[in-house]
Amino acid sequence: DIQMTQSPSSLSASVRDRITITCRASQSISSSLNWYQQMPGKAPNLLIYAASNLQTGVPSRFSGSGSGTDFTLTISSLQPEDFATYYCQQTYSAPWTFGQGTKVEIK
Amino acid sequence: EVQLVESGGDLVQPGGSLRLSCAASGFTFRTYSMNWVRQAPGKGLEWVSYVSSSGNTIYYVDSVKGRFTISRDNARNSLYLQMNSLRDEDTAVYYCARHNTHGSTTYFDYWGQGTLVTVSS
Repeated sequence: DIQMTQSPSSLSASVRDRITITCRASQSISSSLNWYQQMPGKAPNLLIYAASNLQTGVPSRFSGSGSGTDFTLTISSLQPEDFATYYCQQTYSAPWTFGQGTKVEIK
Repeated sequence: EVQLVESGGDLVQPGGSLRLSCAASGFTFRTYSMNWVRQAPGKGLEWVSYVSSSGNTIYYVDSVKGRFTISRDNARNSLYLQMNSLRDEDTAVYYCARHNTHGSTTYFDYWGQGTLVTVSS
């Protein structure tokens, strides 16, 4: 199985900060990497698919990059509604595994 | 509007069985593959099972193989997860999620609100 490792596990940031979350795969997954946002008590919401494609309706302050084993999610200017937990997911091969999550908290 | 509504979650004893359902609307259900994903309390996301649009291709995570069965009824726009021999570690919120594709990659673009399964004596 492909292991996905996110860093950091949590971070504290302020509104309007630029933040970056990293996701590393245990083997090359090409661009088969997705990012999801999850608010407490809610279902996950797709942000980025295929490493760098913004899902319809997602604000442009979110962006994704990377290929192979190393990927990043960047929020260019953190907004109050962005404080949540973020997960990466590989869909290169089943079982489709998720990272352990990165919780973004208010500083 | 795409909607996925799960139901069937409950409190069940270890070794028991439960059947989850996911009612789909707002899209042509028979043309999309579907997934079940679970989240144990306070933990991360774990993909559980996949079924292709026709039902001919099915995958499971190793921890549920032989115990869980995914199925679908395209005439009823519904997805199911039959869970047998339940264990404490199956306790989780179970989400159904639509499977979409972009070139050679795939992603889960719509999710239901989840249904809670609690396995406890």
